[in-house]
Amino acid sequence: SQQGEEDPQALSIQEGENATMNCSYKTSINNLQWYRQNSGRGLVHLILIRSNEREKHSGRLRVTLDTSKKSSSLLITASRAADTASYFCATDPDNTDKLIFGTGTRLQVFP
Amino acid sequence: DAGITQSPRYKITETGRQVTLMCHQTWSHSYMFWYRQDLGHGLRLIYYSAAADITDKGEVPDGYVVSRSKTENFPLTLESATRSQTSVYFCASTGELDTQYFGPGTRLTVL
Repeated sequence: SQQGEEDPQALSIQEGENATMNCSYKTSINNLQWYRQNSGRGLVHLILIRSNEREKHSGRLRVTLDTSKKSSSLLITASRAADTASYFCATDPDNTDKLIFGTGTRLQVFP
Repeated sequence: DAGITQSPRYKITETGRQVTLMCHQTWSHSYMFWYRQDLGHGLRLIYYSAAADITDKGEVPDGYVVSRSKTENFPLTLESATRSQTSVYFCASTGELDTQYFGPGTRLTVL
């Protein structure tokens, strides 16, 4: 069963535009993570936000968390062609280090 | 080289054969994981291990066997491969702050 559901499933934008991806989850969490996967590669950790945090920044990434709505968003500002990848949210609902991943958002950034 | 490696990167086998996918990490991380990634399902946890000689089932363990005699190695065995086990398999380990580090993946085709 999927804990996280990303929205949209696919997103196409031009370089320089901002990209926003959303993640909804079902149960209470201790933290929520975002990962990136380039085609044919393993996932790479981007950012982690804890349940007591509402917003977190890392370079061009901005993550928000709304525990009341059980949702998170990932914003990539000033996107680049190199940002083209799939993005996944992941949660650890049982606090056992077992992550549950969503099905991902495929981002295409056109030069 | 430090990191997490998987071998082989590509494998073609036949139904009924035994196949072992290898995973090796150099960080001495306690937790290690095996996932499979299929279109429409995202990443699903097969097995995980909290330490050497401690393993447990994930979401989709049927048809798979794992062992962990050493902290750095976590092999995944398909005892009798089936076509439904055609997938991309990822190994991961957990580092600081609950983040997971993924290997490059093994693309397995069962004919």
